[in-house]
Parts: sequence; C-alpha cells; structure tokens
Amino acid sequence: GQQLNQSPQSMFIQEGEDVSMNCTSSSIFNTWLWYKQDPGEGPVLLIALYKAGELTSNGRLTAQFGITRKDSFLNISASIPSDVGIYFCAGPTNAGKSTFGDGTTLTVKP
Amino acid sequence: NAGVTQTPKFRILKIGQSMTLQCTQDMNHNYMYWYRQDPGMGLKLIYYSVGAGITDKGEVPNGYNVSRSTTEDFPLRLELAAPSQTSVYFCASSSRGRTGSGYEQYFGPGTRLTVT
Repeated sequence: GQQLNQSPQSMFIQEGEDVSMNCTSSSIFNTWLWYKQDPGEGPVLLIALYKAGELTSNGRLTAQFGITRKDSFLNISASIPSDVGIYFCAGPTNAGKSTFGDGTTLTVKP
Repeated sequence: NAGVTQTPKFRILKIGQSMTLQCTQDMNHNYMYWYRQDPGMGLKLIYYSVGAGITDKGEVPNGYNVSRSTTEDFPLRLELAAPSQTSVYFCASSSRGRTGSGYEQYFGPGTRLTVT
C-alpha cells in the first residue's frame, strides 16, 4: 500500500525557534492533510491542502503541497511550549480512507 | 456539538476477556474509522465504515469486529483479548470535504487499553 515517510522523526528545539518538517511518498496524492496530536489526546486537523503548489497558513503554521504531488511541508514559526506534540501527515487512499505517516515528535524547551 | 466521543477512557483486561469500545459522533458523518496507536508509532486502521450497514477491514483487523447499525454509532468489539492488543484506540469520523472525498477526519479522545 501507499506509505508516507515523515522526517525528522523527532525534534528538540528552543522556544522561539522555527520548525520545518516534511512528508514524502512514492505515490501521487491529490490532497495532503496535517494533524497534531497533543499528549494524551486524539489527533486534530491543522491544515488541509487540495492543490499542487498550494501554500496555506493557520496562525503560526504554514503548510505547502509540493508541486510533484509526492510531498508536503509543514513549518511552525516562533515555537511556543504548547506546540509540543506529534505532527502527522496524511493522504487519502480510497473510499474516504487516509494513510498516515508515523509522525514527527516535537519537544520545545522553554 | 460533542464531536466524536469514546468510552471508556481506560480499561484493563485479562487475557481471554472480551469487551466493546464505544464510539459515537453527532456530526452526521457518513464515514467512521477505528485506529490503534502503539507507543511511538503512527495510526493503523483496524476497520472502517462508509455508512450505516456497511463495514470493511483495514490494515490490522484480526482479533476485532465492528458493526454499524446507525449513522452515529460504530462500536469495536475485542474477542479473546491478547497482550498484543494493548494499545490506544481512536475512533474517527469524516464527511465529504471540499474535494467531495471526505478525507478530513475528526478524532475522539481515545481509549487506553491494557491486556495482561
């Protein structure tokens, strides 16, 4: 099946730093989704991307749909302690299903 | 709206016991899903449903069963619990998104299950 590779696997950063993470696939996707999972909670949708080359922001978060349609990027500017969590990318497969990456775990040191 | 609710939040089972994890959504979504998340890992799809009366297997269905008698409810049944089923279980739902594909998923808070 289709697999999504997320990198880096984990990040340890200082509060105030910018963060970049990405998600790649060997297959083309028509939609890319980014979710965040807070510790002990379920994932929450952050950003949805529907068009190759699209750049979408949600507060300090910016995500891009790669022009090859095989990758997507998520940037967080000026990180704060509440950014801690696991960030998942996801792409649709069929029948309303999505495949998820294994996540990037973000730790922010005050 | 409460969104997606799951009960119980925590449960400890003995090997061989059975239980049902409950999931309810109040957003009138057609699609519902069950995932498991092992420590440090991503989400693995167990079962999914595209509407009442219709269910299908995901990546890791062995040891589980589901039913979908109403739009709102999608219970997950564990028969003969095994230690390998120790995990966090998430229920999710979705409806048709902007592309008409229903890919944006809304997750419940999870059920943390330990089998000993």
